Amino acid sequence: GQQLNQSPQSMFIQEGEDVSMNCTSSSIFNTWLWYKQDPGEGPVLLIALYKAGELTSNGRLTAQFGITRKDSFLNISASIPSDVGIYFCAGVNNAGNMLTFGGGTRLMVKP
Amino acid sequence: SQTIHQWPATLVQPVGSPLSLECTVEGTSNPNLYWYRQAAGRGLQLLFYSVGIGQISSEVPQNLSASRPQDRQFILSSKKLLLSDSGFYLCAWTPGSGYTFGSGTRLTVV
Repeated sequence: GQQLNQSPQSMFIQEGEDVSMNCTSSSIFNTWLWYKQDPGEGPVLLIALYKAGELTSNGRLTAQFGITRKDSFLNISASIPSDVGIYFCAGVNNAGNMLTFGGGTRLMVKP
Repeated sequence: SQTIHQWPATLVQPVGSPLSLECTVEGTSNPNLYWYRQAAGRGLQLLFYSVGIGQISSEVPQNLSASRPQDRQFILSSKKLLLSDSGFYLCAWTPGSGYTFGSGTRLTVV
């Protein structure tokens, strides 16, 4: 099925560094979601974006809904070891009943 | 409060054996329910979704089937497992706070 283009696929950074990842799509979405998945667990919702141009923060996380409605980015500031995991973007279709996921960004943080 | 339960957490099954994974949601009614599969280190692939009792939509031809016998119960099944069925299976539901996922079942077919 359709998949969003998420980049980068993986990142290995030093603790304290900022992180940026993004998703692009050929289709328009009405809602963008960002999830984090820890090993062996289900994804947990970090941030939900409902409006084009919206910029939302959750602690050290900031995400934006692209003005074209075809992209979104997630920034993590001052990374810490517990930020390690896989981050997924997801777009919600117009009917609100279907998610399309990005391929994930695997984040590794060196203490 | 609204919660989603998925079990078992891990499962090792021989090739050719049947499968039944269960997902239940509490604290809501008439949810949309979803089954996803995640191969190791990969993204999430939608397998089935259901908007109501007895209503199942299949996204990918599979050796798997799904059923929704009750409003808040979603079951993933197989009559004969294949090696390629190994993976991490996740149940999800909406409406909720975004889409909420269960804790997953790691299935290893040997």
